[in-house]
Amino acid sequence: KAGVTQTPRYLIKTRGQQVTLSCSPISGHRSVSWYQQTPGQGLQFLFEYFSETQRNKGNFPGRFSGRQFSNSRSEMNVSTLELGDSALYLCASSLIEGAGGYTFGSGTRLTVV
Amino acid sequence: ILNVEQSPQSLHVQEGDSTNFTCSFPSSNFYALHWYRWETAKSPEALFVMTLNGDEKKKGRISATLNTKEGYSYLYIKGSQPEDSATYLCAFSDSNYQLIWGAGTKLIIKP
Repeated sequence: KAGVTQTPRYLIKTRGQQVTLSCSPISGHRSVSWYQQTPGQGLQFLFEYFSETQRNKGNFPGRFSGRQFSNSRSEMNVSTLELGDSALYLCASSLIEGAGGYTFGSGTRLTVV
Repeated sequence: ILNVEQSPQSLHVQEGDSTNFTCSFPSSNFYALHWYRWETAKSPEALFVMTLNGDEKKKGRISATLNTKEGYSYLYIKGSQPEDSATYLCAFSDSNYQLIWGAGTKLIIKP
């Protein structure tokens, strides 16, 4: 079966712009979570969606937002980009929330210049 | 503030040696403890999910134990091989299903 698909793989944006990243979960998975990974840091949790509802949110500013559609696909949006937003953004899907067994996508590498 | 600590941050191990590292997590509101392996240029891959105090899980040469009362989990690798080189992440999920990740232990196997 197809894995978790993230698009685009690479993205270069300038400061002040906004960006939307997409994540298509494994078929049947209803939970999608988003993470940011910067050099030298572990995974920083952004948010988790389950059945179109945001269930948990990490400690990120309001510039980071997301949503989940009825087909479980999820998008993450970052507005007013800052240089510090340059990172690898990973999404992971699982059958049910919080129970583990997360399957990660390959990530979107965002560079803000 | 909920925090997950992993130690050591990095580890160099001779091929063939066994090794272990630690994940410490809050002992309250425990729901599950997850271990993942993250190889360079790949996505994190699930190793184990443990939910019960005293759980022990094994996958080949890798095993993990869980102590929810004192808030720690050990990951053991027996007879390390070069392909074991990766960052090993643990994550704690509480009863609200909030997932908190440790910063990982970077394991380097020296041939």
